[in-house]
Amino acid sequence: EAQVTQNPRYLITVTGKKLTVTCSQNMNHEYMSWYRQDPGLGLRQIYYSMNVEVTDKGDVPEGYKVSRKEKRNFPLILESPSPNQTSLYFCASSLSAVNEQFFGPGTRLTVL
Amino acid sequence: AQSVSQHNHHVILSEAASLELGCNYSYGGTVNLFWYVQYPGQHLQLLLKYFSGDPLVKGIKGFEAEFIKSKFSFNLRKPSVQWSDTAEYFCAVNGMGSGNTGKLIFGQGTTLQVKP
Repeated sequence: EAQVTQNPRYLITVTGKKLTVTCSQNMNHEYMSWYRQDPGLGLRQIYYSMNVEVTDKGDVPEGYKVSRKEKRNFPLILESPSPNQTSLYFCASSLSAVNEQFFGPGTRLTVL
Repeated sequence: AQSVSQHNHHVILSEAASLELGCNYSYGGTVNLFWYVQYPGQHLQLLLKYFSGDPLVKGIKGFEAEFIKSKFSFNLRKPSVQWSDTAEYFCAVNGMGSGNTGKLIFGQGTTLQVKP
């Protein structure tokens, strides 16, 4: 089944404890992206990757890192999480930057 | 600045009522347009998309949307809603210009509640 998977689905952590949210797609998509969803703000892009060679910041990259060592995986790294990063995170992938994006199930993160 | 505005934040309808959700965007160039739906506790799913051609597009589950370029609008419609349509709906825009980063610009979302 074609899909985008994320792990973990739920995470409660404390300020400053490094964490990684994994994202994997099995559709051979070039483009991958991370968004965060907050009430009243819709979804905002954190980072994106055009392909394994190109990764860049989105609208709200502060406090986040990503890597794209292989096409299928695009982990989101929070080196030192803070409470303002409490949010619902979605990974998405697409054939290219102009095609529709397919979203993962989401990761609900709470930083205490 | 690029933006998407959804006029209705919370809509309550009875089953069989007609639905229209407004979406306007601000973008200085050609765009691709999308409507996504998020059922309670689930991820975003694509309802329909507009890239080019006929401005009236049909999507899944009986939804349709009309792109009116002169009004920068892409309103979502359904003639008769069902209880199972209860969800949050997001309009999104992807700019097509050079240097396109693939970023989807989302509206704030509209919560639709359908009463049985």
